[in-house]
Amino acid sequence: GDSVTQMEGPVTLSEEAFLTINCTYTATGYPSLFWYVQYPGEGLQLLLKATKADDKGSNKGFEATYRKETTSFHLEKGSVQVSDSAVYFCALSELGGSQGNLIFGKGTKLSVKP
Amino acid sequence: GEEVAQTPKHLVRGEGQKAKLYCAPIKGHSYVFWYQQVLKNEFKFLISFQNENVFDETGMPKERFSAKCLPNSPCSLEIQATKLEDSAVYFCASRTSGGSSYEQYFGPGTRLTVT
Repeated sequence: GDSVTQMEGPVTLSEEAFLTINCTYTATGYPSLFWYVQYPGEGLQLLLKATKADDKGSNKGFEATYRKETTSFHLEKGSVQVSDSAVYFCALSELGGSQGNLIFGKGTKLSVKP
Repeated sequence: GEEVAQTPKHLVRGEGQKAKLYCAPIKGHSYVFWYQQVLKNEFKFLISFQNENVFDETGMPKERFSAKCLPNSPCSLEIQATKLEDSAVYFCASRTSGGSSYEQYFGPGTRLTVT
């Protein structure tokens, strides 16, 4: 079945450091790909998305490119802030149409120190 | 409303008791999804609805879990005879029927603790 694998955390960085969180996926079709963020004690917020190969999703300085050839959707940010400390989830939705449930990676906890 | 609402925020039940969780999707969203997040952050899909109809229930432990989405009422997820392993945060998400990116909007979750 479909699956998402993302790098194990936790990841600890200093403020203004460069961030990469790796994500690869296995899917039988052409999924949409997402990054969600979960701040402590809160629900999931959509951070960015991409719906087809070579699409780049971006938001709040974060970006990720849908790479079909490497089945990857790595999350990057050039300069992290303390406020970026959260758990980040890579996810895919496989089914065509609007009914597809999300399949999540296990999450990567990011801690940014001042 | 503009956000997915979930109640209660916290729920504590003794093992064997019933638990009932509620979700109000964003107005105009016709799809509702339930997910279970266990201690190590892992998300498990439980069930989805298209309006009041079950669309996909492949993730539901059918012996004790049930769910409904009735017209003009919040959706509900009910666990009969809770077990310790049911302790988790339960998230509801909704989305529209249109669009191409299948993005879902999540509620704040209900934390269920079974003692």
